[in-house]
Amino acid sequence: DIQMTQSPSSLSASVGDRVTITCQASQDITTYLNWYQQKPGKAPNLLIYDASNLETGVPARFSGRGSGTDFTLTISSLQPDDTATYYCQQHYDLISFGQGTRLEIK
Amino acid sequence: QVQLVQSGAEVKKPGASVKVSCKASGYTFTTYDINWVRQAPGQGLEWMGWMNPSTGNTGYAHKFRGRVTMTRNTSTTTAYLELSGLRAEDTAVYYCARDLTSSWYDYWGQGTLVTVSS
Repeated sequence: DIQMTQSPSSLSASVGDRVTITCQASQDITTYLNWYQQKPGKAPNLLIYDASNLETGVPARFSGRGSGTDFTLTISSLQPDDTATYYCQQHYDLISFGQGTRLEIK
Repeated sequence: QVQLVQSGAEVKKPGASVKVSCKASGYTFTTYDINWVRQAPGQGLEWMGWMNPSTGNTGYAHKFRGRVTMTRNTSTTTAYLELSGLRAEDTAVYYCARDLTSSWYDYWGQGTLVTVSS
């Protein structure tokens, strides 16, 4: 099974900050990597698919990069509504998720 | 508009089975796979498996093989997840989500809380 490791597990940042979350796969997954945002009590919401493609309707401050084993999700200018937990997910071999990164606003 | 509407919360005793439904609307049901993902209280997301509504073909995560069954009714555009041999650790919110051949999940159900308690 492919293991996905996110870092950090949690972070706190100020409105307007640039925030980066990383996700590392235990083996090469090319660009088969997606990112989701989940708010408390809600289902996850797709942000980025196949490493760098912005889902329709997602604000342009979200971006994704990476290939192989190392990936990043960046929020260019943090907004209050971005408070959430973020998950990466690989679909190279079956499906697995990272453990999540909890993002709070200072 | 695309919607996945799940059945209501369940409370089950250890050893029992639970069957959760996911009714799809707003798109052609047989075009997209339905996946099931669960989330234990305060924990992360855990993939359980997929089902192709057109063929009925399924694929399950190793952890759940032997305990999970995914089925569908194409006439009512409803997918089902059945989990047997319930234990306390199965207490979680269960989500259905659609995807185009094991790719990404663009629509999710609202989630169904299953509580396993004696």
